[in-house]
Amino acid sequence: SAVISQKPSRDICQRGTSLTIQCQVDSQVTMMFWYRQQPGQSLTLIATANQGSEATYESGFVIDKFPISRPNLTFSTLTVSNMSPEDSSIYLCSVEVGNEKLFFGSGTQLSVL
Amino acid sequence: GQQVMQIPQYQHVQEGEDFTTYCNSSTTLSNIQWYKQRPGGHPVFLIQLVKSGEVKKQKRLTFQFGEAKKNSSLHITATQTTDVGTYFCAGPASGGSNYKLTFGKGTLLTVNP
Repeated sequence: SAVISQKPSRDICQRGTSLTIQCQVDSQVTMMFWYRQQPGQSLTLIATANQGSEATYESGFVIDKFPISRPNLTFSTLTVSNMSPEDSSIYLCSVEVGNEKLFFGSGTQLSVL
Repeated sequence: GQQVMQIPQYQHVQEGEDFTTYCNSSTTLSNIQWYKQRPGGHPVFLIQLVKSGEVKKQKRLTFQFGEAKKNSSLHITATQTTDVGTYFCAGPASGGSNYKLTFGKGTLLTVNP
C-alpha cells in the first residue's frame, strides 16, 4: 500500500493567480499521476510524472498551464497557472502500487473566483 | 480514442435491495479496475480483473469481466447505507502504459435506510 499526503486540501483563489499542489508519498514510486475531477464528473488524467524527466501530458493539457515537478521518488507538485473559474475542480495525485492498483491522495478542492 | 462507458449514471435503492452497475469499453482491455469514491472522499481501489470471464467476490460485492474483455459489472447484494458512493470502472488507455487509466463516468449509488 501507499500513504499519500496531499495539500492543500482546499483553496479559494482569485482569477489570474497560480496554485501549487504538493503530493508526498511514504515510499519511493516510479510514476506519479495527476488527475482532475470536475464537479460531479469522472477522473481525467492530466499528466504522468517520472523522476528525472519531464512530465508526459495528456491531450488537452499543456505544461505552461499545469507545470509539474518531480524532484525525487517520493514527492511531486502540480501548479495550476493563470487560473480561471473553469479550473475549479478537485485535483488528485496518485501512484501505482504492485503493478495492480492506484492509490490516490485525498485531493485538493480548488475554487476559482 | 478509447472510451469507457458506465450505466446507470445514478441509482437510488432501498436498503436491502440489490444494485448493479455496468461498464463497457470501446476497446479490449488487458485488465479492468473498480474504484469506490465516498461523498467528499477520494477514489479507493476495490479490485482488478484480468482474465476473460473472471468473477471475483468481496463479501456482498461480485465483479465480473466479460469474455471479450470489453465489459464488466459490479453487483452488490442487499445494499447497506455504507455502500453509498460513486463506483468507477477504469481500464488502461489504449497503446499506453498499463497504469494510465481511462475512467468511466461512474455510477452514483444512494441508499435509503
